Amino acid sequence: EAQVTQNPRYLITVTGKKLTVTCSQNMNHEYMSWYRQDPGLGLRQIYYSMNVEVTDKGDVPEGYKVSRKEKRNFPLILESPSPNQTSLYFCASSSKPQGLRRETQYFGPGTRLLVL
Amino acid sequence: GQSLEQPSEVTAVEGAIVQINCTYQTSGFYGLSWYQQHDGGAPTFLSYNALDGLEETGRFSSFLSRSDSYGYLLLQELQMKDSASYFCAVRDRQSNYQLIWGAGTKLIIKP
Repeated sequence: EAQVTQNPRYLITVTGKKLTVTCSQNMNHEYMSWYRQDPGLGLRQIYYSMNVEVTDKGDVPEGYKVSRKEKRNFPLILESPSPNQTSLYFCASSSKPQGLRRETQYFGPGTRLLVL
Repeated sequence: GQSLEQPSEVTAVEGAIVQINCTYQTSGFYGLSWYQQHDGGAPTFLSYNALDGLEETGRFSSFLSRSDSYGYLLLQELQMKDSASYFCAVRDRQSNYQLIWGAGTKLIIKP
């Protein structure tokens, strides 16, 4: 079954304690990205990656890191979480964007993070 | 900068037709996509317009007019299960294929 998986699904942590949210896709997609979603603000892109070893900042990259060492995995790292990073996080993947050709974003189930 | 604007909330009656608009300001983009998200769930793909005009997929249709910087999602024969948030998104030509999202429209359906 084609899917994007994220772990953990729920996480409560404290300020400053490093954490990693994993993301993995089994569709051989080149493009992967991370979003955070907060009430009234829609989806805001944190980082995205066009392929292995290629990452770019999205709209809200401060306080986050990512890596893309393998095509299927795109972990999100919070080195020193703060309460303003409490949010719902989604990982997504798609085939490589090519001009006007439609490419569908497949989203993971989401990770709810609470930073105390 | 690039931005997409949608109404924050739309209310409609079961069985009716509703249109959700998306206006954008961007210097260049590829197609316009629409996604649906139910409360507590992940966004799922609904529709895509690469070119101007109407695309139909069952009860859902989407429209794009590049000359008017405007698109919309049309939902017909509304069902209670269509209560969700709807997002428009474009792939930006200028910033290495970054996906730009609208803030979403919450669709409330009344019996």
